[in-house]
Amino acid sequence: AQKITQTQPGMFVQEKEAVTLDCTYDTSDPSYGLFWYKQPSSGEMIFLIYQGSYDQQNATEGRYSLNFQKARKSANLVISASQLGDSAMYFCAMRTESGAGSYQLTFGKGTKLSVIP
Amino acid sequence: KAGVTQTPRYLIKTRGQQVTLSCSPISGHRSVSWYQQTPGQGLQFLFEYFSETQRNKGNFPGRFSGRQFSNSRSEMNVSTLELGDSALYLCASSWQLAGFQETQYFGPGTRLLVL
Repeated sequence: AQKITQTQPGMFVQEKEAVTLDCTYDTSDPSYGLFWYKQPSSGEMIFLIYQGSYDQQNATEGRYSLNFQKARKSANLVISASQLGDSAMYFCAMRTESGAGSYQLTFGKGTKLSVIP
Repeated sequence: KAGVTQTPRYLIKTRGQQVTLSCSPISGHRSVSWYQQTPGQGLQFLFEYFSETQRNKGNFPGRFSGRQFSNSRSEMNVSTLELGDSALYLCASSWQLAGFQETQYFGPGTRLLVL
């Protein structure tokens, strides 16, 4: 079974500082995709960044980067220069094949990030 | 390009009633997935549709059903509502949902409250 673990229920960061949100995953599949989503209080899940299991380089998207350590099965999200608008829930998710050519996204429990002015 | 839209955004029902939620995917996307989000269980996969066919189903009772139309719009139905069905229901679309690298884009969700 696939599993995503986010061990930090809540995090605080000072505005303009960098913050790392932890994510570890468990799968026996050699092929998988790792995603981070942001969910503001409005509810919509916003896609932030993707990392494939075969990617050699860490993914980056603007202020977001993914610290991918395959041997440790970790995919931490790093947000640089935090902004007040970054305050939200952050979810790590893993996409694997669930059989017969179909795929499923498994989510962690999330980390609530609060940015302090 | 317009994002994923879901209607209605908020809904209040009573136990025993049924409800239908609607999702319009991003233009050109042919795959739609549904998720239930609750404080206790987190985000759980309900089902996914591609080309009007259900390709995958999560571990939910038969009271939860869905369908997809030829224009890729999807509806989700919950019959005989229970208090525990109160949740945020999220719809996500992607191009064809093939491959582990396919990104799903989510709508704003429908908040369902069952009294």
